Amino acid sequence: GQSLEQPSEVTAVEGAIVQINCTYQTSGFYGLSWYQQHDGGAPTFLSYNALDGLEETGRFSSFLSRSDSYGYLLLQELQMKDSASYFCAVINTGGFKTIFGAGTRLFVKA
Amino acid sequence: SQTIHQWPATLVQPVGSPLSLECTVEGTSNPNLYWYRQAAGRGLQLLFYSVGIGQISSEVPQNLSASRPQDRQFILSSKKLLLSDSGFYLCAWISGSYNEQFFGPGTRLTVL
Repeated sequence: GQSLEQPSEVTAVEGAIVQINCTYQTSGFYGLSWYQQHDGGAPTFLSYNALDGLEETGRFSSFLSRSDSYGYLLLQELQMKDSASYFCAVINTGGFKTIFGAGTRLFVKA
Repeated sequence: SQTIHQWPATLVQPVGSPLSLECTVEGTSNPNLYWYRQAAGRGLQLLFYSVGIGQISSEVPQNLSASRPQDRQFILSSKKLLLSDSGFYLCAWISGSYNEQFFGPGTRLTVL
């Protein structure tokens, strides 16, 4: 089967850096994605890693280690608007299916 | 540019009633389409996906069904709703590079 684990909640202060970890178990791994979802809204895509290493997009970076079945999302210079839920998602071989983790609720405090 | 539409935005239905949720995509052809359900405060559960007209793969056997009558139309249905069907239903399509899913605005369904 396929499963993903990520912390349920993280709290950080404005301006700080926070890392959200994700470990996964899957057959036929193709890539790891991260999505952001604000309350009441639909998820929006943040980043994607197919190969080991760090991908940087502005204040957000994502890392993948395929040998460890592990990845993380790094958010820098936190802003209040970053308060949201963050989901890691595994894309299986062939790219037809994306399985989402349960999500990490990020609270940014002033 | 691509756009994905879902309706209705909110829906309140009694237990045992039928359901039909529609999703349409604009600006792309032959997309892979997906239906997800999200319970309050939880992750996204993949319900169905489709790689082409008339092709439906079911991930969770239950009282829901899906159909794809046209290339850019994906419909989620039920003959008799259960209380446990309440949730936020999201339609999505995936880009050709398989690394990004685009979600519709969602339908919030409450079954009473």
